[in-house]
Amino acid sequence: DTGVSQNPRHKITKRGQNVTFRCDPISEHNRLYWYRQTLGQGPEFLTYFQNEAQLEKSRLLSDRFSAERPKGSFSTLEIQRTEQGDSAMYLCASSDRGTNYGYTFGSGTRLTVV
Amino acid sequence: DQQVKQNSPSLSVQEGRISILNCDYTNSMFDYFLWYKKYPAEGPTFLISISSIKDKNEDGRFTVFLNKSAKHLSLHIVPSQPGDSAVYFCAEETSGSRLTFGEGTQLTVNP
Repeated sequence: DTGVSQNPRHKITKRGQNVTFRCDPISEHNRLYWYRQTLGQGPEFLTYFQNEAQLEKSRLLSDRFSAERPKGSFSTLEIQRTEQGDSAMYLCASSDRGTNYGYTFGSGTRLTVV
Repeated sequence: DQQVKQNSPSLSVQEGRISILNCDYTNSMFDYFLWYKKYPAEGPTFLISISSIKDKNEDGRFTVFLNKSAKHLSLHIVPSQPGDSAVYFCAEETSGSRLTFGEGTQLTVNP
């Protein structure tokens, strides 16, 4: 297993378009997280799955954002009607233990909304 | 409202010397603090964590100190190496599943 994989690495889209990102976690990890990072800031929590259940969502996750993890394996994050403020690095992470043991992050998907 | 603050955006040290990265937090309700390292074009990598019931945790060249009365933690890297040059984030476990990160400190270790 080569770690957490995120696709695409980069995405440029026009304002108002919909985009979808994919995350493939480490195969034995049942926990999956999405974070967003903007320039000069640390990652900000978006949402958390344990297996296929979405257990926690941040207030940052507006109604234009939706995340799924069908069958508890890969996950997708969709942004509808993108806005320029959505431009950021979207990071996925997975773990098989508690948060205090640390997550394994992917390399992220950089979204640019023009 | 920011719960975790890293007030130094950058730090430069000489190879072989000690690097000290600092972090302050506001909410003392939670159990764990963590440090991550991030290289350009990569995701953050977990370094070390500390439970709030301890005041020190050590792993090789990395030691994290927790001062609960001051709501302050620090990461010491001894000796610093050029490969340690990266952005370092401190984070607080603010629920059973989420981390709240600081803004990060860019460490540069000069040969």
